Amino acid sequence: EDQVTQSPEALRLQEGESSSLNCSYTVSGLRGLFWYRQDPGKGPEFLFTLYSAGEEKEKERLKATLTKKESFLHITAPKPEDSATYLCAVRGGGADGLTFGKGTHLIIQP
Amino acid sequence: DTGVSQNPRHKITKRGQNVTFRCDPISEHNRLYWYRQTLGQGPEFLTYFQNEAQLEKSRLLSDRFSAERPKGSFSTLEIQRTEQGDSAMYLCASMWLEGTREAFFGQGTRLTVV
Repeated sequence: EDQVTQSPEALRLQEGESSSLNCSYTVSGLRGLFWYRQDPGKGPEFLFTLYSAGEEKEKERLKATLTKKESFLHITAPKPEDSATYLCAVRGGGADGLTFGKGTHLIIQP
Repeated sequence: DTGVSQNPRHKITKRGQNVTFRCDPISEHNRLYWYRQTLGQGPEFLTYFQNEAQLEKSRLLSDRFSAERPKGSFSTLEIQRTEQGDSAMYLCASMWLEGTREAFFGQGTRLTVV
């Protein structure tokens, strides 16, 4: 059974204070690791897909990286508008649906 | 096209009533997924369709849950005889199988069973 564990559960940063969110996973036959952002009361918003160890993707202040066991979402010089829950998910070799972690609730204080 | 659309956005129902939610995917997407999300948890996969064919049913939470996609376009998720434990956000996502395989989500339907 595919499993995803995200840490920390919650993170409070000052504006401009860079940090990283962790996503550890176990999956049989990784067919993609996905990062989403979710604002309260809304659906997840797609950020990145990573397919193989060593792959990296960037978008504005966010950078996602992938190893064989975990992924990191690095946030550089965050702004208050980056406050959200960040979800990590994997697509494994079984059913086509995504297996999600519980998310990291990120708060950026001005 | 403005993305995945879900209706209604909110639904309050009495225990024991049946409810139906609708999802309109991005028009060229041939795969459609349903998820459930409870407070403090990530979305939980329920079922999915490729065009009109339902390819996975075993993750549906009980036999009170059913889904259809009759013409390969919009989909409905029905919950019969609702229970308080069914209170959650129900999310729909769609994807183009032959593309980058990125699933895009709707805004969800928030169900409250009283």
